[in-house]
Amino acid sequence: AQSVTQPDIHITVSEGASLELRCNYSYGATPYLFWYVQSPGQGLQLLLKYFSGDTLVQGIKGFEAEFKRSQSSFNLRKPSVHWSDAAEYFCAVGADRSNDYKLSFGAGTTVTVRA
Amino acid sequence: GAVVSQHPSRVICKSGTSVKIECRSLDFQATTMFWYRQFPKQSLMLMATSNEGSKATYEQGVEKDKFLINHASLTLSTLTVTSAHPEDSSFYICSARRLGSSYNEQFFGPGTRLTVL
Repeated sequence: AQSVTQPDIHITVSEGASLELRCNYSYGATPYLFWYVQSPGQGLQLLLKYFSGDTLVQGIKGFEAEFKRSQSSFNLRKPSVHWSDAAEYFCAVGADRSNDYKLSFGAGTTVTVRA
Repeated sequence: GAVVSQHPSRVICKSGTSVKIECRSLDFQATTMFWYRQFPKQSLMLMATSNEGSKATYEQGVEKDKFLINHASLTLSTLTVTSAHPEDSSFYICSARRLGSSYNEQFFGPGTRLTVL
């Protein structure tokens, strides 16, 4: 079974500073990897995804993530954070057809942006 | 494209009543729909997987008689919380996987906030 670890429960960053959120996954095959963002009381918005190919993935809102197979990681980065980036961020790993394409989510990282 | 809606967005009910939540894929056909539950400040936990025309597959620890799932068409799945109790209060989110897709990509609905009094 697949699993995801997000080591940082809460990160506080100054507006304009860079942001990096860590994600480590466990999966026996080539993973499908995702980052989602959730504002309070809202659903999930997909930031970016990795299926195959280039290991550096560009997403929406200026986010990018790098897949590193050797480290089983898929860390999310943004060079300059805006106040509107304050939210909950979830990393997820997706199984293939053999496991009904299920998604497993990490515990999430809360990002606070200070002025 | 790939929009998923949920109805209602928010529902308050009395203990002992049943509540139905709808999940619709608006602009695509969904071979598989998933139901998740999210407690405050926690992650999403998969409750069940439903495929159109067949019985749902429930995750360990999820009561199938409590959470009835029907996936009657390629665009609609429903979750019915039967005899709801306060501990069933939660945020319920559905997702849908596009028919014919060879990738694991799910499109999420906006969620339904259930409060049981």
